[in-house]
Amino acid sequence: DAMVIQNPRYQVTQFGKPVTLSCSQTLNHNVMYWYQQKSSQAPKLLFHYYDKDFNNEADTPDNFQSRRPNTSFCFLDIRSPGLGDAAMYLCATSRDQLAEGGQFFGPGTRLTVL
Amino acid sequence: DAKTTQPNSMESNEEEPVHLPCNHSTISGTDYIHWYRQLPSQGPEYVIHGLTSNVNNRMASLAIAEDRKSSTLILHRATLRDAAVYYCILRDGGNTPLVFGKGTRLSVIA
Repeated sequence: DAMVIQNPRYQVTQFGKPVTLSCSQTLNHNVMYWYQQKSSQAPKLLFHYYDKDFNNEADTPDNFQSRRPNTSFCFLDIRSPGLGDAAMYLCATSRDQLAEGGQFFGPGTRLTVL
Repeated sequence: DAKTTQPNSMESNEEEPVHLPCNHSTISGTDYIHWYRQLPSQGPEYVIHGLTSNVNNRMASLAIAEDRKSSTLILHRATLRDAAVYYCILRDGGNTPLVFGKGTRLSVIA
């Protein structure tokens, strides 16, 4: 089945130690998104790629970076994780950016910062 | 972004219909109304969307008010697996990712 895959499902890192979260998709979708979801809160968009074009949300901290080396893969890099960055990180894809198209979400990676 | 207002939580008995309301009084003519839900420990999943007309699919129905300032997601027979947070989201017809509000937490009682 076509899907959005996130690895690992659970990630533990130390305060200040860089960490990378991975997302891959078999849907051949043009757009990939990263959301941060803290406990009992709604998902918050960090940034998204339309093909190779990177779109950063205005309030996304510089500590968060992303890479999309090809259509299938997208990475979220947290350069110096703080305790406040502990959250579920959700990757999503869509065929295009039009409102008609739905977004397909992966299961998320839960990040713990010690 | 146009705003939506949903009740924080709702409760339903199993096997009964559920009507989840959403107010969006500042909706623009090009905004689509999307509904997603998030089951515990999972990513959000698409439920249904519409523009002006009522919509039905295998998961739910979407009833849109004539003035489009409100809409209702209808689950025809709630099951325990429908317990989730339901998000009502407005998306402009152009280039806009999903922006989530607080949603409604639906509890289903056996």
